[in-house]
Amino acid sequence: QVQLQESGPGLVKPSETLSLTCTVSGGSISSSRYYWSWIRQPAGKGLEWIGRINTSGSTNYNPSVKSRVTISVDTSKNQFSLKLSSVTAADTAVYYCARWAVANGDFDYWGQGILVAVSS
Amino acid sequence: QSALTQPPSASGSPGQSVTISCTGTSSDVGGYTYVSWYQQHPGKAPKLMIYEVSKRPSGVPDRFSGSKSGNTASLTVSGLQAEDEADYYCSSYAGSSTFVIFGGGTKLTVL
Repeated sequence: QVQLQESGPGLVKPSETLSLTCTVSGGSISSSRYYWSWIRQPAGKGLEWIGRINTSGSTNYNPSVKSRVTISVDTSKNQFSLKLSSVTAADTAVYYCARWAVANGDFDYWGQGILVAVSS
Repeated sequence: QSALTQPPSASGSPGQSVTISCTGTSSDVGGYTYVSWYQQHPGKAPKLMIYEVSKRPSGVPDRFSGSKSGNTASLTVSGLQAEDEADYYCSSYAGSSTFVIFGGGTKLTVL
């Protein structure tokens, strides 16, 4: 059974960089059948796709955060990571990592989510 | 990159059916079969309920069904049960550049 687990600081200061890691277990992150995404959800609001990476390191980002975001993959650790720079209170949200199944065009597995607050 | 349009709320009594719509454009919902629906209970991660417009993952009750007409996709929940009360989000693939767009979410209440 595939599992995804987010980890990282739950509190980040304004103007600093938010860094999260997603560890994948029960399956290889190196499979070309999947992309790996970050999605966030501010409290009481909807889901916002942040970006995705494939096993070769190719990325797509949401234009709303493109200038501040970097997603990377470490196949040796079966992990992928998110860095979001120059954060503000508007970046406070639950951050999810998720697996995108290329053949089906859906997010079939999700992490439990991690709450990241931006505050001084 | 505008969100897909969903009604903010929907409701029905136990045993009834309810349909939630998801409207996009020809660049997303209308242009691809990669429309999916997710169920989210409070404090939990979203769960895939429908993929490729109308397919159900293993373990999802057949009370959940999906369809699409033009730029609008729909999720129908038949035989409503108390545990169906949750937020529902649609999403659509939108091409290699935009990649994916979510709907704003619909809160389903079982009366």
